[in-house]
Amino acid sequence: AQSVAQPEDQVNVAEGNPLTVKCTYSVSGNPYLFWYVQYPNRGLQFLLKYITGDNLVKGSYGFEAEFNKSQTSFHLKKPSALVSDSALYFCAVRDRGSGTYKYIFGTGTRLKVLA
Amino acid sequence: NAGVTQTPKFQVLKTGQSMTLQCAQDMNHEYMSWYRQDPGMGLRLIHYSVGAGITDQGEVPNGYNVSRSTTEDFPLRLLSAAPSQTSVYFCASSRGQGSNQPQHFGDGTRLSIL
Repeated sequence: AQSVAQPEDQVNVAEGNPLTVKCTYSVSGNPYLFWYVQYPNRGLQFLLKYITGDNLVKGSYGFEAEFNKSQTSFHLKKPSALVSDSALYFCAVRDRGSGTYKYIFGTGTRLKVLA
Repeated sequence: NAGVTQTPKFQVLKTGQSMTLQCAQDMNHEYMSWYRQDPGMGLRLIHYSVGAGITDQGEVPNGYNVSRSTTEDFPLRLLSAAPSQTSVYFCASSRGQGSNQPQHFGDGTRLSIL
């Protein structure tokens, strides 16, 4: 069955330190991969996507993500965290293999950046 | 561009009542979907549509109906509200089935069932 896993419910990091939010997936075929961010009382906002090509993808607000096909992972990274990065982060895949093209979301990881 | 607009933003219902959550998008997107967000469970797909006149069930469709008579609108109907349907509901839209474009989300409807 298709699935997305975000193994950490919460990640705490000090301001200025690098951050990583983990995501692994299990879908058939070659999926499209996405990261979204959600601020309180708002909908999800798109951060970045991986389609094909370079395994390191750059996105909004200084975020980047590394695609690893052998480990079926798509971890979100940022070299230097800001307090304003504190939010809920979702990994998602668009399943191209099953023919439904549905988006499948992880359960979310809450990032807390400490001043 | 308004993007994806959801109404109402908040609603309180009594058990057994029915209501319709509205969703409209102005981006001419073919694909629209409804999710519910509950603590610790992420986003769960309720129903989705790949175009006007075409809908299909997602992961948690029971107790909900949808229709897609136009490209722009995708309302979600609660037939007989139950406390288990207390949640935050998000509507999203994107380009068609083969697209690599991300979904655009509304700001949600916060629904409480008493």
